[in-house]
Amino acid sequence: DAGVTQSPTHLIKTRGQQVTLRCSPKSGHDTVSWYQQALGQGPQFIFQYYEEEERQRGNFPDRFSGHQFPNYSSELNVNALLLGDSALYLCASSFITGVKPNTGELFFGEGSRLTVL
Amino acid sequence: GNSVTQMEGPVTLSEEAFLTINCTYTATGYPSLFWYVQYPGEGLQLLLKATKADDKGSNKGFEATYRKETTSFHLEKGSVQVSDSAVYFCALSNNAGNMLTFGGGTRLMVKP
Repeated sequence: DAGVTQSPTHLIKTRGQQVTLRCSPKSGHDTVSWYQQALGQGPQFIFQYYEEEERQRGNFPDRFSGHQFPNYSSELNVNALLLGDSALYLCASSFITGVKPNTGELFFGEGSRLTVL
Repeated sequence: GNSVTQMEGPVTLSEEAFLTINCTYTATGYPSLFWYVQYPGEGLQLLLKATKADDKGSNKGFEATYRKETTSFHLEKGSVQVSDSAVYFCALSNNAGNMLTFGGGTRLMVKP
């Protein structure tokens, strides 16, 4: 059973550029959340997608946008990159509808480390 | 708003020592509480959780009790091993959508 997979694992961009990060959720999961983890800090919630729509959003500017596809995979897009966007971006999956009860657990990928120069 | 405060690390212990990592929270309503662990080079993994007051979560020798009166969820282990070296995150969620609010993390280093 494949867990949450993210790509790319590492990437380097320059200020002002745009980046797209990708995530495939764990099999059986229908909900994808994205988190930003700056070095030495805890993850911060960016947004969550379910049924191809953004359901919740944290305190992040509109430069951060996302998408969920019919197969439940998701993309995170960041426009006009700033130095402060350098971080580990984590994708987490869970399910809202399903056979098993929702235990409230999120399953995380290993993350995409973005460096902005 | 919601917030989680953890003791700052790093915490350095010798093998078989007793571990406590403090965690306190601020939240509306009755949140669920979690401890996640991040081993070097890996993603976050759920270590244990508690969903209501006085619940005790436990896993792999780690324990934490949901204390509503002190708004705390301290992580404990009676005898740590070198393999427990990792970063530990306390987190809470108070909505069915599973949005987590994390603390800043505590790095644990266990020496042989």
